[in-house]
Parts: sequence; structure tokens; C-alpha cells
Amino acid sequence: AQSVTQPDIHITVSEGASLELRCNYSYGATPYLFWYVQSPGQGLQLLLKYFSGDTLVQGIKGFEAEFKRSQSSFNLRKPSVHWSDAAEYFCAVGAGSGGSNYKLTFGKGTLLTVNP
Amino acid sequence: DSGVTQTPKHLITATGQRVTLRCSPRSGDLSVYWYQQSLDQGLQFLIQYYNGEERAKGNILERFSAQQFPDLHSELNLSSLELGDSALYFCASSDRDRGIHIQYFGAGTRLSVL
Repeated sequence: AQSVTQPDIHITVSEGASLELRCNYSYGATPYLFWYVQSPGQGLQLLLKYFSGDTLVQGIKGFEAEFKRSQSSFNLRKPSVHWSDAAEYFCAVGAGSGGSNYKLTFGKGTLLTVNP
Repeated sequence: DSGVTQTPKHLITATGQRVTLRCSPRSGDLSVYWYQQSLDQGLQFLIQYYNGEERAKGNILERFSAQQFPDLHSELNLSSLELGDSALYFCASSDRDRGIHIQYFGAGTRLSVL
């Protein structure tokens, strides 16, 4: 069965600093990987996804993530954090039979606090 | 705005009661997924429907059931509620049930069982 680990429960950064959120996955086949963000009182918004091809993927709001198969990782990065980035971030792997990713398995999330 | 609508936003009820959560998918999407987000279990997949048919089941309790109607909206029914059922319930939709795709999430229904 697939699993996702986000080692950092809570990260605090200063506004303008760079950010890296870690994500490790476990899945026997080709993973379909996602990062979602959840702001207070909001649903989950898709930041970016990796299905195949270029291992460095760009997303919305200036985020990017790099897929490293050898390390089973899909870390999320942003060069300069804004106060509005404060939220909870979830990494997910999509898996299912027949090449489908119908079932998303999520990590426990990383709460990001941004100091002014 | 993802285009996925969930009602109600908040629900407060008592143990032993039954509630119904409603989800309207994005226009044109045939697949609906239900997830539960709780403090101890995190985000867990419950069940998926595609065009009215159940397609996949996750960690859904027998006390819970769901259905998808001809107009494609879906309802998640939770019965004999327990304190531990208090959680945020998300609905997501996509345009297919197989292959690689993106799931778009609603804002969720927060259920409090007292």
C-alpha cells in the first residue's frame, strides 16, 4: 500500500526567506504526486502535480517541486515566502489499479507559519 | 473557487443521530470522491462514485453510506454518530474515474458530534 510522510509537522519562516517542505512517498509503481494547500476555512487547493516527464514542476503562487525517484521524494520549494503563504500543506500520492490515480493518499500535513 | 460545492458548511449534532452531507461536483465532472479529515487520522479516502455507480471504497465505516444521483450530486450519509466521527468531510470531483487525473476539492463540511 502507498504511504506519504511529511517529516515536518510545523515550520516557521520569516517573510522573504526561502522555503522547502519535505515529502517522501512509498509506492511500488510510478507515482502520481501532488501538493495541495489548505488555508483556514478553505478547501484543498492544488498547487502542482507530477505525472511524468520533467522532474522539476512549476505550480501556482510561485511554488515548484522536484521529483527524485532515487530518494522517493517530492519536496516543495519557494524562493521567497509571502505572509499569505501561511497555511497547511499536504503532499499526496495518487494510486489505483490499471494506471489510475483515483485514490489519493495524503501525508499528515505541514503547517507553515510566516513571521513578518 | 474550485467549482465543487458542499453543504452545509457546519453541522452540529448529537451522538446516535444521522446526518446527510451534500456535494455538487464541478460542471461536467462525473466522478465524486469523499474524504474525511480528522486530527488523529489525517485525510483519508472514503469512497468514490462515477456516474452514479460506486467505483472504489477506502476506509469507510459500515455506518456510513453514499450515493450519487442522476444529476451527479452526491450525498454522504452518516448514521449512529459517535464522538469520533467529528471531522471535516471533503468532497472532490474529477472528469474521469480511470487514468491520470486531478481531483478538485470543495471547502468541506465540518461535523461536530456532541
